[in-house]
Amino acid sequence: DIQMTQSPSSLSASVGDRVTITCRASQTIDTYLNWYQQKPGQAPKLLIYGASIFHSGVSSRFSGSGSGTDFTLTISSLQTEDFATYYCQQSFITPRTFGQGTKVEIK
Amino acid sequence: QVQLQESGPGLVKPSETLSLACSVSGGSISTDYWSWIRQPPGKGLEWIGYMSDSGSTDYNPSLRSRVTISMDTSKNQFSLKLNSLTAADTAVYYCVREKFDNNNWYYFDYWGQGALVTVSS
Repeated sequence: DIQMTQSPSSLSASVGDRVTITCRASQTIDTYLNWYQQKPGQAPKLLIYGASIFHSGVSSRFSGSGSGTDFTLTISSLQTEDFATYYCQQSFITPRTFGQGTKVEIK
Repeated sequence: QVQLQESGPGLVKPSETLSLACSVSGGSISTDYWSWIRQPPGKGLEWIGYMSDSGSTDYNPSLRSRVTISMDTSKNQFSLKLNSLTAADTAVYYCVREKFDNNNWYYFDYWGQGALVTVSS
């Protein structure tokens, strides 16, 4: 299985801050990397696929980059509605695997 | 707009079998891949497996001996069966579409609201 490791596991930030979350794959996955946002009591929502492609309707303050084994999700200016847990996921091979999640909390 | 809705019992006894169904509206299960993903309370996401539009299946090796995913195209539904349950199988179970798009990207774009299944006697 490909192991996905996110860092940090949690972070505290203020509205307006620039936030960066990293995701590392245990082997190369090209750009088969997706990012999801999950709020308490809700299903995850797709933000970005193919490492950097916006899913329909997603705010442009979210951006993704990377290839191979190292990836980042950046929120350019954190808004109140962005406080949530973020997961990366590889779609290179099965079994599909997720990172452990990064919880973004209000400072 | 594709919508998915899980249904099934919320409480199952240890050693018994979990059976969940997912009804799909706004789209056909004759295209793309149809998956199950679970999330234990307070924990991360685990992919269980999928059935493709052609009827082939692929399961997480950690669960392969206990899981079956099937499809009923006449009802536009797909189902999950997980046997020999233990408390470790307590989780929210999501049915999810995995889109395979024209550019060869795979991603989970539509999710059900999730069904909490508790394994307890």
